[in-house]
Amino acid sequence: DAGITQSPRHKVTETGTPVTLRCHQTENHRYMYWYRQDPGHGLRLIHYSYGVKDTDKGEVSDGYSVSRSKTEDFLLTLESATSSQTSVYFCAISHSTGTREAFFGQGTRLTVV
Amino acid sequence: AQSVTQLGSHVSVSEGALVLLRCNYSSSVPPYLFWYVQYPNQGLQLLLKYTSAATLVKGINGFEAEFKKSETSFHLTKPSAHMSDAAEYFCATSGGGSNYKLTFGKGTLLTVNP
Repeated sequence: DAGITQSPRHKVTETGTPVTLRCHQTENHRYMYWYRQDPGHGLRLIHYSYGVKDTDKGEVSDGYSVSRSKTEDFLLTLESATSSQTSVYFCAISHSTGTREAFFGQGTRLTVV
Repeated sequence: AQSVTQLGSHVSVSEGALVLLRCNYSSSVPPYLFWYVQYPNQGLQLLLKYTSAATLVKGINGFEAEFKKSETSFHLTKPSAHMSDAAEYFCATSGGGSNYKLTFGKGTLLTVNP
């Protein structure tokens, strides 16, 4: 497996609280991504990063923010968690050259009650 | 913008039968195409990838896919299903050019019956 670690792996939080999920890579890949997976929707891109401090929005970015202060770490923050953000969150990484495939972490299951 | 459409959210086959999972893409530039597999409670694993080197791509676990530009398709096949193939399969594209974002289809759940 590619060196990608997501933490925590499971979290239950209350509506209205902020939550931060962490993705750590040891591969020195330039691109990092946050996806959410929901039944019937596949994986949807929340935010991505193409370098330190360089980030951009995906298709479902409302209610989420990200930060990347180091190549190896990409943080996803739910500013004020809502029940609609209950989901499984996946971090992925990819090269900036070559065949562009992404490698995925094991996921974080977040439940907002 | 690039996109992929997976036909059939659920496919059921018998053990030993042909597996065919369908994916059509939409892209304004030559695409990069991928198939991923997800086993229960796990992350996604790359099965195979198309990068224009060859139209027939072989992947892991006996799977292969054929890129057909005229049909804008990249269907995944396996001649003989095994019980261990039961999983969810996702088609994805990164478009091309300067676009590195992966866009996924909604997934196809493969069930293999004994």
